[in-house]
Amino acid sequence: DTGVSQNPRHKITKRGQNVTFRCDPISEHNRLYWYRQTLGQGPEFLTYFQNEAQLEKSRLLSDRFSAERPKGSFSTLEIQRTEQGDSAMYLCASSLVVREETQYFGPGTRLLVL
Amino acid sequence: KNEVEQSPQNLTAQEGEFITINCSYSVGISALHWLQQHPGGGIVSLFMLSSGKKKHGRLIATINIQEKHSSLHITASHPRDSAVYICAVYDNYGQNFVFGPGTRLSVLP
Repeated sequence: DTGVSQNPRHKITKRGQNVTFRCDPISEHNRLYWYRQTLGQGPEFLTYFQNEAQLEKSRLLSDRFSAERPKGSFSTLEIQRTEQGDSAMYLCASSLVVREETQYFGPGTRLLVL
Repeated sequence: KNEVEQSPQNLTAQEGEFITINCSYSVGISALHWLQQHPGGGIVSLFMLSSGKKKHGRLIATINIQEKHSSLHITASHPRDSAVYICAVYDNYGQNFVFGPGTRLSVLP
């Protein structure tokens, strides 16, 4: 499968714990995006990378959230000291650097914070 | 006011009906996407357009830049078209991607 993959697909954690999600983009894509989607809502932009550089972060991304893309390939999104409000689907997408290129979405990681 | 709005929020149709979903936006954009999200979360990009009209199979997307409005049409709808359809826009710099709330479509056999 050469699409965007995300791991894990589901994560249940207790409030206060740290969680880390991984996204593997389509191999030749140099842009990688993270989104969050809560039930019944459209996705919300969190951050994006071009190669290994994090170019933009949404104000939704509090200090407890950090994302990395150390080698310009896969990316990780870490949430520290999780809160119940962090429960959501975390979506990753990738695209080529060509402006407005179609984004290809991964299956998402569903997080439930108890 | 949300930057991207969609109507209707929910839509139920009978198989074979012609369906229209609308999207309006308030920001300057460089391109607009229509996305399809099936139960379970998978998102597929249907169209990206910045002007005029695009057609793919039974799906047609139009955009009017002056009126800041786009429509997604589905001809001869089928139960497998049941999904959430999301409109998303790239801002003028082509970097920030803003999503609408989605339209939940159910096509009954």
